[in-house]
Amino acid sequence: NAGVTQTPKFRVLKTGQSMTLLCAQDMNHEYMYWYRQDPGMGLRLIHYSVGEGTTAKGEVPDGYNVSRLKKQNFLLGLESAAPSQTSVYFCASSYPSSHEQYFGPGTRLTVT
Amino acid sequence: GENVEQHPSTLSVQEGDSAVIKCTYSDSASNYFPWYKQELGKGPQLIIDIRSNVGEKKDQRIAVTLNKTAKHFSLHITETQPEDSAVYFCAASKTGFQKLVFGTGTRLLVSP
Repeated sequence: NAGVTQTPKFRVLKTGQSMTLLCAQDMNHEYMYWYRQDPGMGLRLIHYSVGEGTTAKGEVPDGYNVSRLKKQNFLLGLESAAPSQTSVYFCASSYPSSHEQYFGPGTRLTVT
Repeated sequence: GENVEQHPSTLSVQEGDSAVIKCTYSDSASNYFPWYKQELGKGPQLIIDIRSNVGEKKDQRIAVTLNKTAKHFSLHITETQPEDSAVYFCAASKTGFQKLVFGTGTRLLVSP
């Protein structure tokens, strides 16, 4: 099992550009999450999904959109990137019956 | 909403010493408290967790204690080894959907 994978690993964007981060999991997890990690601020939840076709806002959703068209994939979109979105983005997944979240390796995004 | 504070932000110990990381939470309804370890360049990984009906839990060199009255919980690592060097995050959530609120992280450095 690959677990949770994220694509790409690194990306540099100019202000105003758009991009999509892809998260894939092969553990048949129902729940999936997107977090951002910034120095001194820990991990903050952006959006999450409790099943295929469902999404919900987390703690810091502004400037991001998500889609969960397939159970194994969770996409995070930035429509118009801003320097404040420079961060490391982590995807995670879990079973409904378990609190343990499995994290991907992260995507380092820089917006100039 | 829930707020989790974590201290210290950095901790340096000698190999073989013990290390203690402390967290406090604000929402008395929280009842699940995990600890995640993040090694350099990787996503966080669950190392131990505790639920509110238990005061202490041990797993080899790692233990977690919970004081619900004071709303704080701690991670204890005994006989530290260089491979324990990492960033550690505490988190809190309630039953039902497992939306975790993370602390800001503690960078632990174990010197040989």
